[in-house]
Amino acid sequence: AQSVAQPEDQVNVAEGNPLTVKCTYSVSGNPYLFWYVQYPNRGLQFLLKYITGDNLVKGSYGFEAEFNKSQTSFHLKKPSALVSDSALYFCAVFTNAGKSTFGDGTTLTVKP
Amino acid sequence: KAGVTQTPRYLIKTRGQQVTLSCSPISGHRSVSWYQQTPGQGLQFLFEYFSETQRNKGNFPGRFSGRQFSNSRSEMNVSTLELGDSALYLCASSLESGRAGDTQYFGPGTRLTVL
Repeated sequence: AQSVAQPEDQVNVAEGNPLTVKCTYSVSGNPYLFWYVQYPNRGLQFLLKYITGDNLVKGSYGFEAEFNKSQTSFHLKKPSALVSDSALYFCAVFTNAGKSTFGDGTTLTVKP
Repeated sequence: KAGVTQTPRYLIKTRGQQVTLSCSPISGHRSVSWYQQTPGQGLQFLFEYFSETQRNKGNFPGRFSGRQFSNSRSEMNVSTLELGDSALYLCASSLESGRAGDTQYFGPGTRLTVL
């Protein structure tokens, strides 16, 4: 069975500071890892994905994520947070069998 | 390209009724997946349709069903509504089915409230 854990329900950072939203996963076979962001009363917006290749993946809005196979982690990062980054962030793992598992989400709050 | 569209955006029903939600995928996308999002259970996979066939199914009762049309548009139906069915129902489309690397793009969701 596959699983995704986002150990922090809430992350608070000050504007301009770096941010990290953590994600660990468990899957048999190759992991296909995704980050999505959800703003209030909206659907999920795709940020970035790891399929294969470079462990550092760059995505939309200045976000990046680092795939670490040994630690089975895929943490989302941004060098300088903006107030507008405040939202709910989801990590997800997909498999070729068509199964998808999403984490419980992490609420990011960026304070001015 | 237009994104994934879902109608209606908001719906209020009473227990025992049934409801049909609609999803139009991004042009050229042939796979449509449905998810239920609730504060308590998070985001849960309902089912996936590709070429008018259900390819995958999550752990939901038979009251939840869906279908896909030849133009890839999809509908999901919930019969005999229960209070616990109140949720945001999200539709996502991707190019193909069974390719885990394909990105799923989500619609804005339909907020269903069951009274």
